[in-house]
Amino acid sequence: EDQVTQSPEALRLQEGESSSLNCSYTVSGLRGLFWYRQDPGKGPEFLFTLYSAGEEKEKERLKATLTKKESFLHITAPKPEDSATYLCAAPSPGDSGYALNFGKGTSLLVTP
Amino acid sequence: GAVVSQHPSRVICKSGTSVKIECRSLDFQATTMFWYRQFPKQSLMLMATSNEGSKATYEQGVEKDKFLINHASLTLSTLTVTSAHPEDSSFYICSANTGTGYSNQPQHFGDGTRLSIL
Repeated sequence: EDQVTQSPEALRLQEGESSSLNCSYTVSGLRGLFWYRQDPGKGPEFLFTLYSAGEEKEKERLKATLTKKESFLHITAPKPEDSATYLCAAPSPGDSGYALNFGKGTSLLVTP
Repeated sequence: GAVVSQHPSRVICKSGTSVKIECRSLDFQATTMFWYRQFPKQSLMLMATSNEGSKATYEQGVEKDKFLINHASLTLSTLTVTSAHPEDSSFYICSANTGTGYSNQPQHFGDGTRLSIL
């Protein structure tokens, strides 16, 4: 059974304190690994897609990397506005399409 | 590009009421849209896959007769929660991508509908 597991569940950082979030997956035939940011009361906002091991993508203070078993979201010198829940997901084939199988997310709080 | 709009953003209603939620792809056509539900402090769980012009497919444990899905055009899918009860209170979110249902393009999400049944 396809599984996506994220750690830690919650992370508290001081402004400027870099760290990494982990997403491990067991998916047969990976069709991409997606990272989203979700703010309270909002839908997930797309950040990155990674398709093959060794791939890296960057956006401002965020960098996502992918290996054959896990993905990392590195946050460099975070700011309070980076506080959110970060979700990773992998497409899971169904009868009508590839819905996303989400991890439980990492709730990030960045304090000034 | 790839904007998904969901309406309403919040609904509060009495037990027994039926509630319709709309999901629109604003700048692209979506043959497939997905409906998720999210309970507090939990992740998104797929409820059903909505297909334009055909019946939706539901995940195990999701009642077809309670959660009616209609995907009448390439830009609109609706979810109707029929005879809603307090246990149906949740955050409902739709998504779509620019490819077909089997595309590995990223899905784009609406801002969700907070449903509260009194």
